[in-house]
Amino acid sequence: KAGVTQTPRYLIKTRGQQVTLSCSPISGHRSVSWYQQTPGQGLQFLFEYFSETQRNKGNFPGRFSGRQFSNSRSEMNVSTLELGDSALYLCASSLGHELNGEQFFGPGTRLTVL
Amino acid sequence: QKEVEQNSGPLSVPEGAIASLNCTYSDRGSQSFFWYRQYSGKSPELIMFIYSNGDKEDGRFTAQLNKASQYVSLLIRDSQPSDSATYLCAVSPSGSARQLTFGSGTQLTVLP
Repeated sequence: KAGVTQTPRYLIKTRGQQVTLSCSPISGHRSVSWYQQTPGQGLQFLFEYFSETQRNKGNFPGRFSGRQFSNSRSEMNVSTLELGDSALYLCASSLGHELNGEQFFGPGTRLTVL
Repeated sequence: QKEVEQNSGPLSVPEGAIASLNCTYSDRGSQSFFWYRQYSGKSPELIMFIYSNGDKEDGRFTAQLNKASQYVSLLIRDSQPSDSATYLCAVSPSGSARQLTFGSGTQLTVLP
């Protein structure tokens, strides 16, 4: 069974630009969660999508947004990039309908903002 | 106060020893508890999860949960150099099973 895939794996952008990251979950998984990992703040939850609806949202500004498609693939978008947005962005997939859901992470997209 | 706290380490143990990793959490309503292993430059890998008080064993790994003390731990028996990694404790609050709050991680080094 294929794992979680994320594209692109690496991105370099400049301040003020916007970026779109993509995540394909494990086949059969309907929930996709996004996390940001930085050396200073660690791993922080951004949002979760299930059946094309945002189900949970973390404490990030509105510049961070996402969506999910009918095939469960998800994208996240960051607008007006800031230097502090440089991070590893991870998506995690889970079945989504159970109470105690194990999440499996993709390889991540490393974003560098110059 | 951080919501999920781990002993920051680094923790070094000799090969074959037991490594003990600890985690405390502040939200008494937390339902699910996970341990992830992250090698340098890689993404986190789920190695254990536990939902009920007590111990849960999987191979060389044992997770222990004590909800009254708000404490979860991971024991690695017969530690191997390949276990050298950062171990992340993650907790999900009640009603939001997939909104994980992570600790800052404990870096483990197993010395050959």
